[in-house]
Amino acid sequence: ETGVTQSPTHLIKTRGQQVTLRCSSQSGHNTVSWYQQALGQGPQFIFQYYREEENGRGNFPPRFSGLQFPNYSSELNVNALELDDSALYLCASSLAVGGPNIQYFGAGTRLSVL
Amino acid sequence: GNSVTQMEGPVTLSEEAFLTINCTYTATGYPSLFWYVQYPGEGLQLLLKATKADDKGSNKGFEATYRKETTSFHLEKGSVQVSDSAVYFCALQETSGSRLTFGEGTQLTVNP
Repeated sequence: ETGVTQSPTHLIKTRGQQVTLRCSSQSGHNTVSWYQQALGQGPQFIFQYYREEENGRGNFPPRFSGLQFPNYSSELNVNALELDDSALYLCASSLAVGGPNIQYFGAGTRLSVL
Repeated sequence: GNSVTQMEGPVTLSEEAFLTINCTYTATGYPSLFWYVQYPGEGLQLLLKATKADDKGSNKGFEATYRKETTSFHLEKGSVQVSDSAVYFCALQETSGSRLTFGEGTQLTVNP
């Protein structure tokens, strides 16, 4: 049990719709990272938030956006959903940025785009 | 850019067999290295880590040594159990940032 919670657990959307996924970070952590894990693949880094500011972004289009709130919880928003967006979305929290630090993962949100 | 390559799977073993899952990496600088495990329907759990060359990470009978000369971080366990069945991911973390770069994962099945 990492203390990182994600909601919802599962979600079904239609192509073109918009979706918001939520993440509550572990107590004391101020950094949240989001990853996309397609079926049978390793997780791919989407972006990271540190103290409410984006701090690094992977190779994902602008329709993937996020927020971090003062309590360090976070949202991932995806606009204009495409079929290829179907994946497990993982949130990880950690303390601070830079240097080696451990990221603790939630159980993920399974998104299916039809 | 950074990358992680894991041995192709899936791997099927009998209980009490010896396990090796190979992992090699490409990175600039001196990354930290991790093994994460994912059980069915769950997120990733940190299994072990090493932050500098020649460090050995260990946990629950698993171990891996950070080999800079061969850019490798192979996972080993002397005697696997059925409960070890899961997907194992090797990952690196840049020293200048906190994003994790993962390998493709290796599915391990242990039969009684």
